[in-house]
Amino acid sequence: AQSVTQLGSHVSVSEGALVLLRCNYSSSVPPYLFWYVQYPNQGLQLLLKYTTGATLVKGINGFEAEFKKSETSFHLTKPSAHMSDAAEYFCASGDSGAGSYQLTFGKGTKLSVIP
Amino acid sequence: DADVTQTPRNRITKTGKRIMLECSQTKGHDRMYWYRQDPGLGLRLIYYSFDVKDINKGEISDGYSVSRQAQAKFSLSLESAIPNQTALYFCATSYRDEQYFGPGTRLTVT
Repeated sequence: AQSVTQLGSHVSVSEGALVLLRCNYSSSVPPYLFWYVQYPNQGLQLLLKYTTGATLVKGINGFEAEFKKSETSFHLTKPSAHMSDAAEYFCASGDSGAGSYQLTFGKGTKLSVIP
Repeated sequence: DADVTQTPRNRITKTGKRIMLECSQTKGHDRMYWYRQDPGLGLRLIYYSFDVKDINKGEISDGYSVSRQAQAKFSLSLESAIPNQTALYFCATSYRDEQYFGPGTRLTVT
């Protein structure tokens, strides 16, 4: 069974500082990996995804993530935080053999941006 | 208009009541899902459907049932609501490797 661990349920950064949200996965097969963002009172929006190919993937709003198989990690980064980045972020994994048929989500990390 | 819509957006109900949450999509996707979100627990899969005739239990299906009335409609029912079913419920569709989420229904069971 797959599992996803997000380190830190709450992360605070200053505006303009680096954003680093950590995600580790466990999977017996190469996974598909996703980051979703949830703004207050909204549904989840896909930020970026890794399926195959280049291990550094770029997403919307300046975010990127790197798939590191040796570390079973898929950490999300952004060089400079904006106030509008304050939201909850979810890492998810899917079985590459089944695509997004079933996603396993992490528990989420709430990002606060301090002015 | 939103591609995935959920009704109602908010609902307060009493213990023991039957309640239905509805989901409609205009994306033309065959696969649809129901999740619940609880603070600190992330999203957990309740049921999923690959097409009108194919419905499957997810991680936490006990106490829930679903109906896939058409390709575009997927309803979630709580036959006898209990307080620990208070949560935010999301419907989603998927195509290839991406899922698309509705805005959510906030359900409170008193």
